[in-house]
Amino acid sequence: GNSVTQMEGPVTLSEEAFLTINCTYTATGYPSLFWYVQYPGEGLQLLLKATKADDKGSNKGFEATYRKETTSFHLEKGSVQVSDSAVYFCALGLSNSGYALNFGKGTSLLVTP
Amino acid sequence: EAGVTQFPSHSVIEKGQTVTLRCDPISGHDNLYWYRRVMGKEIKFLLHFVKESKQDESGMPNNRFLAERTGGTYSTLKVQPAELEDSGVYFCASSQGQQATYGYTFGSGTRLTVV
Repeated sequence: GNSVTQMEGPVTLSEEAFLTINCTYTATGYPSLFWYVQYPGEGLQLLLKATKADDKGSNKGFEATYRKETTSFHLEKGSVQVSDSAVYFCALGLSNSGYALNFGKGTSLLVTP
Repeated sequence: EAGVTQFPSHSVIEKGQTVTLRCDPISGHDNLYWYRRVMGKEIKFLLHFVKESKQDESGMPNNRFLAERTGGTYSTLKVQPAELEDSGVYFCASSQGQQATYGYTFGSGTRLTVV
């Protein structure tokens, strides 16, 4: 079946530290991959996406590269800010599933000043 | 453009009571989805509407859950009677196209607590 595994949190970092949140997937086909973010008190927001192998999604200083050979889509940011504190969800979508996204469990990130 | 709106934002009810969650999608989005996140677990797909029709409700956990989308606009998700394991955050999302390859716009969610 289709599934997403992401690293367990919570992750606590100091401001300006480097961030990596690991995400690996299993899919019967060629998925699109997403990172969603949920800031405190807000809804899920699409942070970035990649629709084919070797694509790099980027937004707000975050990046993730679609690695087919390692079935991974790790999220990275070179210098985190306090405002990046949120829960991050890795997800996949398959065109042959039409509509349903498969999510990971989410990784809580806390950035301290 | 207004986003996907959900209310209430929080609901606390007793076991056995009924709760109705509402979702207003982005105007013009024919596709509407419900997802649920139980504490510490993945966000799970519940069902999908295309306009007023249920395209797929395979993710609905049991017959205590009833979703409707009258007139193809807003949607409601009723839980009757609620059980403790129904506690979680219920998300609604909408999109123009059906393809999961593009991602959706989600609402802020309704946090349901059954005590």
